[in-house]
Amino acid sequence: AQSVTQLDSQVPVFEEAPVELRCNYSSSVSVYLFWYVQYPNQGLQLLLKYLSGSTLVKGINGFEAEFNKSQTSFHLRKPSVHISDTAEYFCAVRGTGGGNKLTFGTGTQLKVEL
Amino acid sequence: SQTIHQWPATLVQPVGSPLSLECTVEGTSNPNLYWYRQAAGRGLQLLFYSVGIGQISSEVPQNLSASRPQDRQFILSSKKLLLSDSGFYLCAWAAVSYTFGSGTRLTVV
Repeated sequence: AQSVTQLDSQVPVFEEAPVELRCNYSSSVSVYLFWYVQYPNQGLQLLLKYLSGSTLVKGINGFEAEFNKSQTSFHLRKPSVHISDTAEYFCAVRGTGGGNKLTFGTGTQLKVEL
Repeated sequence: SQTIHQWPATLVQPVGSPLSLECTVEGTSNPNLYWYRQAAGRGLQLLFYSVGIGQISSEVPQNLSASRPQDRQFILSSKKLLLSDSGFYLCAWAAVSYTFGSGTRLTVV
C-alpha cells in the first residue's frame, strides 16, 4: 500500500513570487507520482506526472516537480505564480503494477494574493 | 480522444431519499472506473472501483453502492441518503493517469 503526505494545508503567496508545495510518499514498491489541480467546484485536472526517466518533470501552466527517490518526495514548484493559480493542489501516488489504485494526499490550498 | 461525463453537476436531496449519479466514458474500451468522494476540507476518498462489467469493489463500508451495467457506464446509488453522504463526488477512469469528471456536488438536507 502507498500513502501520501502533504504537510502544508494552506500556502499563501504574493503574485509573481515563487512557490513550492511539498509532497512526501511512502511505498514498498515502485511508484508513479502525480500532481492534480482542482479549481472551486470542478473536477481534478492533471498538472504533471512522473512515470520514469528524468526526475525533473514539467507540466502545464508553468509548474514543474522533481522526483527524489532517496527522500521519497515529489515537490511541486513554480518560479512565478499568478492570481489564476489560486486552487487546491493534490499529490497522488500509485504502484506501477497493473490495477494499482491512486492514493491522494489531503491537498494544499494555494492562495495567491496581490 | 477519451472523454468522461458526469451528471448532474449539483443535487440537493432530502434525508431518506434515493440517489443515482451517473458517469460515462467515451473513446476507450474496458476502462477501469472509480468513484471518489471529497468531503468539505478533506482529501479524496476512494469509494468504489470497477475493472469490468458487473465487477465492483468497495473500499469502505457505507450507505452507498455502485453498479456497472455497461462497459463505459458507472453508477453510484443509495436507497436512503444520510446527512453524512453530503460531499463532492468524482468519477474517474484510468489508464496510467486518472482522468476525472467534473464532479457532482451533493447536499443532503
